[in-house]
Amino acid sequence: DSGVTQTPKHLITATGQRVTLRCSPRSGDLSVYWYQQSLDQGLQFLIQYYNGEERAKGNILERFSAQQFPDLHSELNLSSLELGDSALYFCASSGTGVISYNSPLHFGNGTRLTVT
Amino acid sequence: DAKTTQPNSMESNEEEPVHLPCNHSTISGTDYIHWYRQLPSQGPEYVIHGLTSNVNNRMASLAIAEDRKSSTLILHRATLRDAAVYYCILVLYGGSQGNLIFGKGTKLSVKP
Repeated sequence: DSGVTQTPKHLITATGQRVTLRCSPRSGDLSVYWYQQSLDQGLQFLIQYYNGEERAKGNILERFSAQQFPDLHSELNLSSLELGDSALYFCASSGTGVISYNSPLHFGNGTRLTVT
Repeated sequence: DAKTTQPNSMESNEEEPVHLPCNHSTISGTDYIHWYRQLPSQGPEYVIHGLTSNVNNRMASLAIAEDRKSSTLILHRATLRDAAVYYCILVLYGGSQGNLIFGKGTKLSVKP
């Protein structure tokens, strides 16, 4: 058990809709990362938050947004959903703002999003 | 970011050692070598990391070439539970980017 909790585990919704994915990091971890994993693209980094502030941005679409709350949990909001957004969305956490030998990433088991 | 090259897939027999290779010919002096693995239906998990010297932990060993242009993850006795995709990733500590860049990895199959 990585200590990172993601909810819900599965989500099925229709095109054009909006969903919110939730992540609780490991106790004490200040950084939260969001990754998208689809069959053809592999694991793609979306965005990172550190102690409530956006730290790094990857291939995140404008229709997607995220935030980290004072209690350090994070939410990923996906709007105007398209069929191509169907994927596994992983949250990871680490103790610091950057990867280091004593601060690897700890991943949750993901939310599987299906857009129909 | 420096890139890594791994075989797409490998097979092993249960209880035999497995050597998973990774080439990183453009590695810089400050890049650390990290290995993660992803079991089916789970998120990736950290396995091991190293800079120059060989490293051992309870999960695996990491052998790093003297010129650092390649490394090998060693599972000493493969179990069925080790069947996963293994990712070799270069990490610049303290860099402006805190994220990991995953490639395609090596899919390891373990036969009973």
